[in-house]
Amino acid sequence: GNSVTQMEGPVTLSEEAFLTINCTYTATGYPSLFWYVQYPGEGLQLLLKATKADDKGSNKGFEATYRKETTSFHLEKGSVQVSDSAVYFCAPDSGGSNYKLTFGKGTLLTVNP
Amino acid sequence: NAGVMQNPRHLVRRRGQEARLRCSPMKGHSHVYWYRQLPEEGLKFMVYLQKENIIDESGMPKERFSAEFPKEGPSILRIQQVVRGDSAAYFCASSPRTVTGNTIYFGEGSWLTVV
Repeated sequence: GNSVTQMEGPVTLSEEAFLTINCTYTATGYPSLFWYVQYPGEGLQLLLKATKADDKGSNKGFEATYRKETTSFHLEKGSVQVSDSAVYFCAPDSGGSNYKLTFGKGTLLTVNP
Repeated sequence: NAGVMQNPRHLVRRRGQEARLRCSPMKGHSHVYWYRQLPEEGLKFMVYLQKENIIDESGMPKERFSAEFPKEGPSILRIQQVVRGDSAAYFCASSPRTVTGNTIYFGEGSWLTVV
């Protein structure tokens, strides 16, 4: 089955710092790739996605590029804000089964003013 | 907000009791999914349902857990004779269809604590 390895947290940054959260995956077929974000006390929200190799997903200043050759989908943001403090989850789907997401353990990001 | 609605948000049960978690999908969505998030872990898929049908239950524990999505009303995840290891956050998600590349939308979760 699929698996995901995410950068171990917690990650603590100062406001306006550059963010990278690494994510590599193993999957059969050609999965779509997703980043979800979970703010304190809330459910998961889709942050961005990419459906095929070399696609770049972007939203709210976050970006991630689907790298098939390295099976990676690293999340980046040029300038983080305090409001970005949350847990970030990388998740490939199961190719033909877009509902069967495999989530990593999550990376806790804390941004200090 | 016409998002995925889950209730209760927090539920406490004693060992041996039953837990029922409800999920109303987004308007226009007919596919429902349940995931479980154990402490310190990522979410894991449990079951996929359409109205009156279980499509994929490959992630459901073999015993004590069941799910339904009746023709009318919300989807229900039922856990019988709960044990401490069932303490987790249970997330429901929905989508209009399952064509590859479509997104599933998650609710805010139901936190079950077994004491």
